[in-house]
Amino acid sequence: AQSVTQPDIHITVSEGASLELRCNYSYGATPYLFWYVQSPGQGLQLLLKYFSGDTLVQGIKGFEAEFKRSQSSFNLRKPSVHWSDAAEYFCAVGLNTGFQKLVFGTGTRLLVSP
Amino acid sequence: DADVTQTPRNRITKTGKRIMLECSQTKGHDRMYWYRQDPGLGLRLIYYSFDVKDINKGEISDGYSVSRQAQAKFSLSLESAIPNQTALYFCATSEGVWSEQYFGPGTRLTVT
Repeated sequence: AQSVTQPDIHITVSEGASLELRCNYSYGATPYLFWYVQSPGQGLQLLLKYFSGDTLVQGIKGFEAEFKRSQSSFNLRKPSVHWSDAAEYFCAVGLNTGFQKLVFGTGTRLLVSP
Repeated sequence: DADVTQTPRNRITKTGKRIMLECSQTKGHDRMYWYRQDPGLGLRLIYYSFDVKDINKGEISDGYSVSRQAQAKFSLSLESAIPNQTALYFCATSEGVWSEQYFGPGTRLTVT
């Protein structure tokens, strides 16, 4: 079955340290890939998306993600985390099966320590 | 002003009651969505609408109904609320099928 896996429920990173959030998908073809962020008490905001082309995509707030077809992964990275990055991050996959929809992963909550 | 607004922001209701959650958007988009978020489950699609006359069930539509009153308004109803419908509900809108979805701030619903 098609699925999106975010294996880390929580991650704690020190402010200024680098960050990588993992996302794996299970799908027969290359899907459309997205990362969204949910700050406390707010709705989700798009960080970046990948449809085709260059496998390294840049997003807002200094985030980037790399699509690796061989690993069915789309990991999110940031070289230096700020305290304001503390939030929940969702990977999502766009599927063209039956009806077009986004399938969200279960999310990774990022905690930033001083 | 926010692009997507949801009312109410918080609601506590009793089992068996009918409740309506409302969503309005000023983006001018045709596509609107209702999701529910549960801890550890991410977001799941309840209903979506591609325009006023096109409404479709998502993956978890049982127990819910929707109404698209206008391009800008999309309401979600729980005809007879039950405790396992306690969740955070989000409305979203997008211009195209794979365009960015703009989310409202959410409605926290508790069914006792």
